[in-house]
Amino acid sequence: GAVVSQHPSWVICKSGTSVKIECRSLDFQATTMFWYRQFPKKSLMLMATSNEGSKATYEQGVEKDKFLINHASLTLSTLTVTSAHPEDSSFYICSAILAGDRGDQPQHFGDGTRLSIL
Amino acid sequence: AQKITQTQPGMFVQEKEAVTLDCTYDTSDQSYGLFWYKQPSSGEMIFLIYQGSYDEQNATEGRYSLNFQKARKSANLVISASQLGDSAMYFCAMREGYAGNMLTFGGGTRLMVKP
Repeated sequence: GAVVSQHPSWVICKSGTSVKIECRSLDFQATTMFWYRQFPKKSLMLMATSNEGSKATYEQGVEKDKFLINHASLTLSTLTVTSAHPEDSSFYICSAILAGDRGDQPQHFGDGTRLSIL
Repeated sequence: AQKITQTQPGMFVQEKEAVTLDCTYDTSDQSYGLFWYKQPSSGEMIFLIYQGSYDEQNATEGRYSLNFQKARKSANLVISASQLGDSAMYFCAMREGYAGNMLTFGGGTRLMVKP
């Protein structure tokens, strides 16, 4: 149980393109989802916290207009990298918390998306 | 100050031996949770083990155990009987407070198991 599906797993596109990444909880409801960015050989950096039905909370230094997050349902959150440029190339990974989590449950991660902007 | 510190950027261990990956944390919250995740080269994050701040017993999950020393604020991961498939990045993470709070990750330790 507690499977999170992230799609696509790999994207290569031209500079200036907008790219949408989907994060779905397949067998549970997730009131909260998180989006992380990971540079090669580095740790995960939290970009934003996404709550169903409300605006995402962005971490300091993350551009809201560049990284649009939508959490329209209890099973889907999307991250759109708008007008992507080579410096946006990275590994993006989402995670979800089960609805009703009391704080002792792990975040369940998707498999990540490798984004390469040419 | 770093909230989660993993002081070993890389570790080698001989197959079938045990290895300890260090993690220290810093929080003023009384309620918090500590997690370990494994990240193979393919990128997915695999949850290994959890320790709550009020748990009196050290957590164990199969070959994984957590050496929780609350006074020292350390939560070291012990992997027994290492296998080649254990070669990966390992991240220690902390959740402060109650449900919904984000995870703060350490810098990670790359474990390499030698045959």
